[in-house]
Amino acid sequence: EAGVTQSPTHLIKTRGQQATLRCSPISGHTSVYWYQQALGLGLQFLLWYDEGEERNRGNFPPRFSGRQFPNYSSELNVNALELEDSALYLCASSFYAGATDTQYFGPGTRLTVL
Amino acid sequence: AQTVTQSQPEMSVQEAETVTLSCTYDTSESDYYLFWYKQPPSRQMILVIRQEAYKQQNATENRFSVNFQKAAKSFSLKISDSQLGDAAMYFCAYRGNTNAGKSTFGDGTTLTVKP
Repeated sequence: EAGVTQSPTHLIKTRGQQATLRCSPISGHTSVYWYQQALGLGLQFLLWYDEGEERNRGNFPPRFSGRQFPNYSSELNVNALELEDSALYLCASSFYAGATDTQYFGPGTRLTVL
Repeated sequence: AQTVTQSQPEMSVQEAETVTLSCTYDTSESDYYLFWYKQPPSRQMILVIRQEAYKQQNATENRFSVNFQKAAKSFSLKISDSQLGDAAMYFCAYRGNTNAGKSTFGDGTTLTVKP
C-alpha cells in the first residue's frame, strides 16, 4: 500500500512570492493534515481538511491556506513568503475517527525562502 | 491548551543497551491519545507506539514500550536492545477530542546509538 506522498521534495522561493505544496493521502483516507516543522523544532499544526472542507486551523496567519480536492489530495498555499516560513512542511493523512485515529506522515517538502 | 514537553534534547545509548526517553504533557481532558513518532535523517515520520489514556496497561511494540502514568501526566518511551537503526529524533505527541484534528508535539529528543 502506497504511503502519503508529497511534492516537491524541495522548493526554493524568494520573499514575497507564493509557494504551493501538494499532498496525496493514503488510499481510503479522507483527512489531510498539514504541519510546519522549523529547523530543530517540533511540529506545529497548520490545517486540517476532511471531506473537502477545512475543519480546523492552527495559529497561523491567513496567508497560509489550502484546499482539498474530490480525490482527497490537498494543496497548501503560502502567500507573501517571509524568511521565517523556511521550514519542513509535513502532510499527514487518516480516516478520521476522532482523536483515536493515527495520522500517517509523508516525507515532507523542504521550503527555503531567500 | 494542551502542551507536550520533552526535557531531554539529546540522549545517547550504547548498542544493545536500554534507553528511556521522557515526555510530560498537560491537559484538562480525561480521554486522549498519546503517541511516539520517530523521525530519522530521511525526515519520514514513523509511528512507533500509541497509548489510549483510558487503558491502564502500558503499550508494547516489540523492543519499544511505554510507561504511562496518567496521574503524573507522564509518558516515557523505553527502547530495549538498542540498534544502530534506532538513531533518530523522537517526538512525543498528544491528541484529544477538543481542538479536533490537531496533534500537539514536543520539541523532540535526538537519540544517538553508539556501536
